[in-house]
Amino acid sequence: ETGVTQTPRHLVMGMTNKKSLKCEQHLGHNAMYWYKQSAKKPLELMFVYSLEERVENNSVPSRFSPECPNSSHLFLHLHTLQPEDSALYLCASGTGDEQFFGPGTRLTVL
Amino acid sequence: AQKVTQAQTEISVVEKEDVTLDCVYETRDTTYYLFWYKQPPSGELVFLIRRNSFDEQNEISGRYSWNFQKSTSSFNFTITASQVVDSAVYFCALSENSGGATNKLIFGTGTLLAVQP
Repeated sequence: ETGVTQTPRHLVMGMTNKKSLKCEQHLGHNAMYWYKQSAKKPLELMFVYSLEERVENNSVPSRFSPECPNSSHLFLHLHTLQPEDSALYLCASGTGDEQFFGPGTRLTVL
Repeated sequence: AQKVTQAQTEISVVEKEDVTLDCVYETRDTTYYLFWYKQPPSGELVFLIRRNSFDEQNEISGRYSWNFQKSTSSFNFTITASQVVDSAVYFCALSENSGGATNKLIFGTGTLLAVQP
């Protein structure tokens, strides 16, 4: 067991849908992260939360909206996405030294 | 600017061969961390190792070994006697030592390793 879980594992949505990705960590970490992994591109850091406060937002379009209600849970709310947003979305939790990743949500936008 | 380069896009070896995955990094920081992660087909990134910039001692863990050369800004990863289960995408990453509760990882583009039986 990794300690970081993500649901759903797979998601197919239309461009007009609204959906949310969920991440939960059981490692007692204070920091949580969202990454986007597209084909043939390096992992892109999207958002960073430290103690439920957003500390970084890497110029991510507003159609992606993160939420961190507590240090164990992280959400990524999606609305009016584009086909190019199709990717693997990875959540991680960690300390100041290292990060541990969840299995990801494979998102397909039609 | 920080950057991580993994020049090998794909490597294919036959089981029991040794294989080295290259990683070259760029940073202006004097204090930083280097990482290797493994991503099997299931998608999850599995943490393999973290190395502090002040520790150039090579490390061995079972069939895995890492060679950190600060002079050439490289942090190469060798798998000895490869096995089919080693087939995965391997990522090298770099982070600054922020001293805070978070760290920002800069990833390379990954190397796809295929180990044939």
